[in-house]
Amino acid sequence: DGGITQSPKYLFRKEGQNVTLSCEQNLNHDAMYWYRQDPGQGLRLIYYSQIVNDFQKGDIAEGYSVSREKKESFPLTVTSAQKNPTAFYLCASSIEGFYEQYFGPGTRLTVT
Amino acid sequence: QKEVEQDPGPLSVPEGAIVSLNCTYSNSAFQYFMWYRQYSRKGPELLMYTYSSGNKEDGRFTAQVDKSSKYISLFIRDSQPSDSATYLCAMGDGGATNKLIFGTGTLLAVQP
Repeated sequence: DGGITQSPKYLFRKEGQNVTLSCEQNLNHDAMYWYRQDPGQGLRLIYYSQIVNDFQKGDIAEGYSVSREKKESFPLTVTSAQKNPTAFYLCASSIEGFYEQYFGPGTRLTVT
Repeated sequence: QKEVEQDPGPLSVPEGAIVSLNCTYSNSAFQYFMWYRQYSRKGPELLMYTYSSGNKEDGRFTAQVDKSSKYISLFIRDSQPSDSATYLCAMGDGGATNKLIFGTGTLLAVQP
């Protein structure tokens, strides 16, 4: 089965800790994206990558970091610099040059 | 003013009703229009994709784009309780990055 996996589904951390969210896809897509979803705010783009070893900041990149060492993987690190990290995080991928993005199941991060 | 505006609802309809979901936008460069369905605590699922103006039909779903009015709609015929979800519109401007701009989503409840 082709698709996007995100793990874990739920993640709990203490304030001040960095945490890494996993995103893996076996769709052979070149482009991958990270979004944050908060109630009433829709999806906001954190980072995106159109090719291995390259990535760009989205609209709300402050306090986040990413890497793209493999085509299949695009992990997101939520650092202690992120002021309000509790949210639902969604990873997506697409064929390069195409707008249809396919989403993973999401990770709900709670920081207390 | 947000680039994409979407009524958050909630919208409650009886089973079998025709549902109309709408988004307005301000950026006349948008050419690619998508509708996603998101069940509670899940990732969004791509429902419909339309390029430029016109209608597209897929089963009980019809997507309409009116670029002159900067208005897009999703119609659901013979609505079912399983259609109860949040519906997100998304748009792209044809630029090099293939980024999407999302509406905030409309919560739909179909009552049996």
